[in-house]
Amino acid sequence: DVKVTQSSRYLVKRTGEKVFLECVQDMDHENMFWYRQDPGLGLRLIYFSYDVKMKEKGDIPEGYSVSREKKERFSLILESASTNQTSMYLCASRGLLFPYEQYFGPGTRLTVT
Amino acid sequence: DAKTTQPTSMDCAEGRAANLPCNHSTISGNEYVYWYRQIHSQGPQYIIHGLKNNETNEMASLIITEDRKSSTLILPHATLRDTAVYYCIVRVHQGAQKLVFGQGTRLTINP
Repeated sequence: DVKVTQSSRYLVKRTGEKVFLECVQDMDHENMFWYRQDPGLGLRLIYFSYDVKMKEKGDIPEGYSVSREKKERFSLILESASTNQTSMYLCASRGLLFPYEQYFGPGTRLTVT
Repeated sequence: DAKTTQPTSMDCAEGRAANLPCNHSTISGNEYVYWYRQIHSQGPQYIIHGLKNNETNEMASLIITEDRKSSTLILPHATLRDTAVYYCIVRVHQGAQKLVFGQGTRLTINP
């Protein structure tokens, strides 16, 4: 079974702190994604990476950066956390074979106070 | 990606079949129907996909109408652990990157 793990289930940070969220997948998938999920807004793509050291902005990249130094690991960085970044953060990975389904991690619920 | 319409919520008794409908009247010929679900406080989980034929796997069955304008996800023997929000998505699989979930159907399995 594909396994996508995220470094924390729950995280509380203060405004202005630098926050690192890590995601690791064990299926040798090329593509990895970071989403945030908020009530009433659904799933929104922050960044994705289609290969090591490659990244593309999603729909809401402002205030975030990413790093993919190894194929299995994709990190999301909040440079200076703000209260409007309080959210559920979901990491996903996807291979290059049909049907291209995405496998999600359990999520990190981040609260910025 | 084509727009989908699902009921906001549904109830089903444990052990019975849960039938979740999805309308996608603007689906185009190269778009697939995918179903995901999200159990509370967990990440979304892929369930099944189809193009025009009915599909079955260990989790569920997918029935797609002949005109492809609607589909039904069937959980044959629902358990309490099937309580979740179910999302129907229509998309072209090649080159598609992000997933976009609508509101989905909140399915509650009752004992």
